[in-house]
Amino acid sequence: GQNIDQPTEMTATEGAIVQINCTYQTSGFNGLFWYQQHAGEAPTFLSYNVLDGLEEKGRFSSFLSRSKGYSYLLLKELQMKDSASYLCAVMDSNYQLIWGAGTKLIIKP
Amino acid sequence: IAGITQAPTSQILAAGRRMTLRCTQDMRHNAMYWYRQDLGLGLRLIHYSNTAGTTGKGEVPDGYSVSRANTDDFPLTLASAVPSQTSVYFCASSSGRESYGYTFGSGTRLTVV
Repeated sequence: GQNIDQPTEMTATEGAIVQINCTYQTSGFNGLFWYQQHAGEAPTFLSYNVLDGLEEKGRFSSFLSRSKGYSYLLLKELQMKDSASYLCAVMDSNYQLIWGAGTKLIIKP
Repeated sequence: IAGITQAPTSQILAAGRRMTLRCTQDMRHNAMYWYRQDLGLGLRLIHYSNTAGTTGKGEVPDGYSVSRANTDDFPLTLASAVPSQTSVYFCASSSGRESYGYTFGSGTRLTVV
């Protein structure tokens, strides 16, 4: 079966760095996505990785290793507004998105 | 402002009633999707449409139907609601270019009692 695993919850301190991991097993691979979802709101697109390596976008970076079925989202200089759930999703061979359950990130002052 | 509009924002529905959740996009995206999101579970695909006039079943299609008469609209119908359909429903669309991701509507919170 297809599976996306990510931690349920993480806590970090304002101004620090946090890494959210995602491992996946899917039938085929056409890219990995990270989305941010604030409580009660819709998911918003953060990043897309289809080749191995690191993609950087300001304070957020996303890494992919296809051979290991592994990705992480790195958030630097954490701000209180970064408190949200972070969803990992993989596009399978049918170009359908398979979603992880999300990681709730709690930022403490 | 370009995006996806969902209606209603929230609804309490008696079991056995029929309900249509509306979804409209103005981005001319070909692909549209309906997801449900339940606590502790990932987004689960109910139905999708790759282009106007075509639809397909997702992971959890039972009890739901969709239509795609034109590019902009993608309504989701619950023929006879049951309490297990209590959830938050998100409509999403995609241009087909993966690097742009999916755009989501603001969601409909449905409670079936």
